[in-house]
Amino acid sequence: ETGVTQTPRHLVMGMTNKKSLKCEQHLGHNAMYWYKQSAKKPLELMFVYSLEERVENNSVPSRFSPECPNSSHLFLHLHTLQPEDSALYLCASSARSSMNTEAFFGQGTRLTVV
Amino acid sequence: AQTVTQSQPEMSVQEAETVTLSCTYDTSESDYYLFWYKQPPSRQMILVIRQEAYKQQNATENRFSVNFQKAAKSFSLKISDSQLGDAAMYFCAYSGGSQGNLIFGKGTKLSVKP
Repeated sequence: ETGVTQTPRHLVMGMTNKKSLKCEQHLGHNAMYWYKQSAKKPLELMFVYSLEERVENNSVPSRFSPECPNSSHLFLHLHTLQPEDSALYLCASSARSSMNTEAFFGQGTRLTVV
Repeated sequence: AQTVTQSQPEMSVQEAETVTLSCTYDTSESDYYLFWYKQPPSRQMILVIRQEAYKQQNATENRFSVNFQKAAKSFSLKISDSQLGDAAMYFCAYSGGSQGNLIFGKGTKLSVKP
């Protein structure tokens, strides 16, 4: 266990559904991240939150909407997804958004869009 | 833009033997960090080892060591006395620049044969 918890572990949703992924950390970190992991592709950084403020959005489609209500929680709201959005979504946190800080990852949510 | 390349999609090693995983990267930054992360089948990514670019001495963590060649922009991971529990996906990652976000390679799947 790394101290970062993601729920649900698995999610199957239709293209017209709305769902949310949840990430929680109680490590005292103030930076949180969403990554997308697809087969045979590098991990793609989607969003970065530092001190509850979004500091990066890597050209992610608007059907993905992040929310960071406090430094311990991060959500990814999903709506009208496409089959190509099926992937493993990883949440991570670090003490701060800087280059020498180790990131701690959750176990991920395996998302399947049908 | 920074990139990380892992040219070996899969590697295999006999238990108790040594294996080296390759990683190259591209950056114009002079100050940065490099990481190797391990993702076992349980999916939770954990940090294996970290190297600071301004340090010439190669990092070592028990059976894991790196060969950092800054001029060649190469950062390989050596696993000595391989164990069955070392079987996992290994990701090379770079962090540098003003934001310091982690940039990952595609990963190398390591199998350990008994």
